[in-house]
Amino acid sequence: DVKVTQSSRYLVKRTGEKVFLECVQDMDHENMFWYRQDPGLGLRLIYFSYDVKMKEKGDIPEGYSVSREKKERFSLILESASTNQTSMYLCAGQGKPSGNTIYFGEGSWLTVV
Amino acid sequence: AQSVTQLGSHVSVSEGALVLLRCNYSSSVPPYLFWYVQYPNQGLQLLLKYTSAATLVKGINGFEAEFKKSETSFHLTKPSAHMSDAAEYFCAVATGANSKLTFGKGITLSVRP
Repeated sequence: DVKVTQSSRYLVKRTGEKVFLECVQDMDHENMFWYRQDPGLGLRLIYFSYDVKMKEKGDIPEGYSVSREKKERFSLILESASTNQTSMYLCAGQGKPSGNTIYFGEGSWLTVV
Repeated sequence: AQSVTQLGSHVSVSEGALVLLRCNYSSSVPPYLFWYVQYPNQGLQLLLKYTSAATLVKGINGFEAEFKKSETSFHLTKPSAHMSDAAEYFCAVATGANSKLTFGKGITLSVRP
């Protein structure tokens, strides 16, 4: 089975802290994604990456950055966390051999206080 | 540009009743279409996927969806609801074999005993 692993399920951080959300996939997927999920808004794409050291802005990149130093790892960074970034964050992988099917991790619940 | 519309945010059915979750899409090219399910506190799991091979697609847990090009629809159905089907359901569209997915806002399905 495809495995996308998000290192932290639940985090509580203070306003202004730098936050790292880590994601690892084991299917040699070229593409990786970070989504944010909020009630009534569905999934919104923050950033995605088609290859190592490449990144593309999604629909809501403000306040976030990403890092992809290795193919299997895609990190989401909140440079200075704010309360409006309290949300569920979902990482996903896509690519051979699964085609354009996206496989999701379990999600990371982030609360910023 | 591609988009997905899932009308309504909540559907409630009785156990044993028909489940019908609606999805309409917009795409300038022949689409790939997906349904995902999300159980509480979990990531999204692929239910089924349309890739133009057959208009009626069967997925896991007894769900199926029919692609209707004339109606630009990809509605999800299950003949008989089970309590374990209570979850949030997302429809998504992609325009190519290696393109990112655009998700609808999701529909919460409740199943009454």
